[in-house]
Amino acid sequence: NAGVMQNPRHLVRRRGQEARLRCSPMKGHSHVYWYRQLPEEGLKFMVYLQKENIIDESGMPKERFSAEFPKEGPSILRIQQVVRGDSAAYFCASSQLEGQFFGPGTRLTVL
Amino acid sequence: TQLLEQSPQFLSIQEGENLTVYCNSSSVFSSLQWYRQEPGEGPVLLVTVVTGGEVKKLKRLTFQFGDARKDSSLHITAAQPGDTGLYLCAALRGAGNMLTFGGGTRLMVKP
Repeated sequence: NAGVMQNPRHLVRRRGQEARLRCSPMKGHSHVYWYRQLPEEGLKFMVYLQKENIIDESGMPKERFSAEFPKEGPSILRIQQVVRGDSAAYFCASSQLEGQFFGPGTRLTVL
Repeated sequence: TQLLEQSPQFLSIQEGENLTVYCNSSSVFSSLQWYRQEPGEGPVLLVTVVTGGEVKKLKRLTFQFGDARKDSSLHITAAQPGDTGLYLCAALRGAGNMLTFGGGTRLMVKP
């Protein structure tokens, strides 16, 4: 039973490019959460999605960031026109009834 | 201001020593969770405490939830190098059970 999978594990982008981060939840899980961890900081909630619906995006920056969880396929966190301040580790977690299980994260570096 | 304040931020000890880390807040929580995160990985849930005054043991780890459900502590007995990592407390919030994390305690246990 595979855990939460994220890819890529490492992503390097230049300022102004787009970053796409993918998260495949655990089998049977229909709830996905995205969190961001800046260097030397704890994790901060970004967005909570269920299949085809954004439930809570109160932690998402208002511009350049978007997320989706389509009926088929992984959840995608998209960052347009990346800036250096977007450099961080991005974690997704999946859940069904209780407990959130975290993936290994995607480390985004913006040059 | 963090909703959950963790202390100390950093702790470096020798193998075999005991230690306690703290998670404090002015808010009351229905439950608190403790996670451990190793470098390059996502957080892994260690325990959930629910009842005020509750004590839970996980091998050499002892977790306590304050009587007023505003704070929690993690005590490690006879620390080992394998205990090295970032220890995070977290509270569930909202109908979607989003996690709010403290800033973490970074523990290093030297052999």
